Amino acid sequence: DQQVKQNSPSLSVQEGRISILNCDYTNSMFDYFLWYKKYPAEGPTFLISISSIKDKNEDGRFTVFLNKSAKHLSLHIVPSQPGDSAVYFCAAFYNTDKLIFGTGTRLQVFP
Amino acid sequence: EAGVVQSPRYKIIEKKQPVAFWCNPISGHNTLYWYRQNLGQGPELLIRYENEEAVDDSQLPKDRFSAERLKGVDSTLKIQPAELGDSAVYLCASSWGFNTGELFFGEGSRLTVL
Repeated sequence: DQQVKQNSPSLSVQEGRISILNCDYTNSMFDYFLWYKKYPAEGPTFLISISSIKDKNEDGRFTVFLNKSAKHLSLHIVPSQPGDSAVYFCAAFYNTDKLIFGTGTRLQVFP
Repeated sequence: EAGVVQSPRYKIIEKKQPVAFWCNPISGHNTLYWYRQNLGQGPELLIRYENEEAVDDSQLPKDRFSAERLKGVDSTLKIQPAELGDSAVYLCASSWGFNTGELFFGEGSRLTVL
């Protein structure tokens, strides 16, 4: 039972354009949603999060949007840069007990 | 400040052999996690420690996997005997408590079982 789903395994975007990564979830009890970024041969690093009581959180070029009615969140990167090329994992957290990761989306930003 | 340190980075063994992974968390982090990441998948929790206590080991295959966190600092994850399906990256992470899901991960230990 995949509670956190990232249906796009890969995404290719031109440098300077917007990157939109999507994530769907099934459990309405999730308290926080997070995005992690992972470079090859490195561990995931925390990028940005959003509480379930908010619908938007912004940090520089990164914005996360949460649509609770649709059980959907997205990460927007504007403008995209080549250094943003990585695998992005959506994760959801609830009950101070579980952190569940999606399967990841590989983003490639080309010149 | 040093990050989460894991060793070895890579390990190749034959099936039925034992293997152990070591993790040193960020100083002051009382919560430590071991995750397993299979190819093309997201990390999946194996065990979570609060100080010395394993508070969530529901996903740890206890017939062959064991873990310990003596003195509430370093931790070791052991597999004995290893099976072909254990080939994966084993990630250690740490955090201050477990309130918002923000974890600090090590670089991981890639295990290949032949």
